Amino acid sequence: GAVVSQHPSWVICKSGTSVKIECRSLDFQATTMFWYRQFPKQSLMLMATSNEGSKATYEQGVEKDKFLINHASLTLSTLTVTSAHPEDSSFYICSARDIRQVSNQPQHFGDGTRLSIL
Amino acid sequence: DAKTTQPNSMESNEEEPVHLPCNHSTISGTDYIHWYRQLPSQGPEYVIHGLTSNVNNRMASLAIAEDRKSSTLILHRATLRDAAVYYCILRMNYGGSQGNLIFGKGTKLSVKP
Repeated sequence: GAVVSQHPSWVICKSGTSVKIECRSLDFQATTMFWYRQFPKQSLMLMATSNEGSKATYEQGVEKDKFLINHASLTLSTLTVTSAHPEDSSFYICSARDIRQVSNQPQHFGDGTRLSIL
Repeated sequence: DAKTTQPNSMESNEEEPVHLPCNHSTISGTDYIHWYRQLPSQGPEYVIHGLTSNVNNRMASLAIAEDRKSSTLILHRATLRDAAVYYCILRMNYGGSQGNLIFGKGTKLSVKP
């Protein structure tokens, strides 16, 4: 089945550091990728939608200068948390939509990146 | 996006069937009903989806009410590996455009041996 790979799985870093998370579609091409954030015991919250070759669309309340998204190819999107602070500690999950996808087919998710800012 | 309502938690015994309910009284004609589940410390996993008719796949069955205002995810024989949070999501599909997956709180399913 379709696989979405996220890297790294977890990262611990000091406050003020910028952290880059990669999301790759391994066996399909994705024109659209999604970034979610999940705090402990809460549901996933959609942060932004990234489209290959164009600017990402951010959900209300998500700072685009804080969470930089780049979708430079059909198989790779990156999320950079700039100048991370402890309140940015969370579980970040990406998802990808297959370019060949007909209406309402499943969306594929990565296994998430656990980010801890000290 | 139309909202869904699910119980916060449910318990099941291993190897027994589980019926997970979802209410979506404001569903529109272009909304598909999707179910995903999330195991601890993992990303969500697709389970099943449907529009009007009941659906079966290797993981589960989806029973959709005739008026589409509710649905039930059926796990025929729960295993310990089925312990997860199950999300019922309405996803718009109209004119070739698909809505985003917006997650609610879901139902946390516990499976007892």
